[in-house]
Amino acid sequence: GAVVSQHPSWVICKSGTSVKIECRSLDFQATTMFWYRQFPKQSLMLMATSNEGSKATYEQGVEKDKFLINHASLTLSTLTVTSAHPEDSSFYICSARDSKGLGYTFGSGTRLTVV
Amino acid sequence: QKEVEQDPGPLSVPEGAIVSLNCTYSNSAFQYFMWYRQYSRKGPELLMYTYSSGNKEDGRFTAQVDKSSKYISLFIRDSQPSDSATYLCAMREGNTGNQFYFGTGTSLTVIP
Repeated sequence: GAVVSQHPSWVICKSGTSVKIECRSLDFQATTMFWYRQFPKQSLMLMATSNEGSKATYEQGVEKDKFLINHASLTLSTLTVTSAHPEDSSFYICSARDSKGLGYTFGSGTRLTVV
Repeated sequence: QKEVEQDPGPLSVPEGAIVSLNCTYSNSAFQYFMWYRQYSRKGPELLMYTYSSGNKEDGRFTAQVDKSSKYISLFIRDSQPSDSATYLCAMREGNTGNQFYFGTGTSLTVIP
């Protein structure tokens, strides 16, 4: 089955620094990738949708200059949290839609803690 | 009103019990209904996928969709401690629609 690898699984960074999270589709080409954020005891909230070779589409309330998304290839999308603050601490999860559009597979998530 | 409503629980049952998890929704355009299982600090994994109304069975899991009532259910038979996780319902409008709408998740603990 389709596998999405997300790295790192957890990261601790200092306030003001930037953190990059990678999401790779291992055995299929992902034309569309999604980035979610999940706070404790809350559901997944879609942050942005990225299509390979295009600019990402951000959901209302998500700062595009703070959460930089790059989807340069059919197998890799990255989310960079710039100038991270403690309130950015959360669980970030990517999801990829395969090129046939038949299914959506989630990565294993990244726990970000900003101190 | 949220698009998808789900009781967050927590729900605690003895091993072997039948578990019933439910979601309600408001958007009549939803056609695809999914149940995901999420273990702590992990990404969600797809359990069941149903199109439109009806029942779908896979091993110990049964998914039901009642579009007239805007109500979906997931039943787990002979529950096991390994079923302890958070269960999220999700739905979307059409095959070309990208937007998933998730419930808040129900935390389930199966006690040995």
